[in-house]
Amino acid sequence: ETGVTQTPRHLVMGMTNKKSLKCEQHLGHNAMYWYKQSAKKPLELMFVYSLEERVENNSVPSRFSPECPNSSHLFLHLHTLQPEDSALYLCASSLDMGDTQYFGPGTRLTVL
Amino acid sequence: KNEVEQSPQNLTAQEGEFITINCSYSVGISALHWLQQHPGGGIVSLFMLSSGKKKHGRLIATINIQEKHSSLHITASHPRDSAVYICAVRPDKLIFGTGTRLQVFP
Repeated sequence: ETGVTQTPRHLVMGMTNKKSLKCEQHLGHNAMYWYKQSAKKPLELMFVYSLEERVENNSVPSRFSPECPNSSHLFLHLHTLQPEDSALYLCASSLDMGDTQYFGPGTRLTVL
Repeated sequence: KNEVEQSPQNLTAQEGEFITINCSYSVGISALHWLQQHPGGGIVSLFMLSSGKKKHGRLIATINIQEKHSSLHITASHPRDSAVYICAVRPDKLIFGTGTRLQVFP
């Protein structure tokens, strides 16, 4: 247990669905991250929030929309995804940017 | 070519064996991380290094900044060490290797 939780743990959705992934931490961390992990590929950083402000967006398609309403919660809203978006989506947090990151268990997403 | 290369990609061992996993990188870095990912996806940070050597229990991590190389060693390996071990380097943001899948058999 790292103190970072993610829900749901598994999600199956159609290409026309809208769903949201949730990440929560009560570690007092100021930075939160979304990563994508596809089979046989390195972890890819998608978004970084620091003090609830988005500081990094690594060329992620607009069908992925992050939201950070407060320093403890991070969402990833999903809309009209493609089958190639099927992957493990990991959330992480750190005290500040550059500090050791603590990862959640991930959400395994399958897009049909 | 990925900026972070790990070897081997897959590794099997018998319980009790000494394990070494290697990481080479091609960029200037401020820190290197070793992470452990268990089946099911959860990732745990093992070490953050900027020089020298760190030890935690049966795990030892070393880094040679001049050679742009790091190793993760596991002494007296155990089946519960079975996981994917990921090396990540930080020039400005984290860049991840593809991981080394370790299976330790009783």
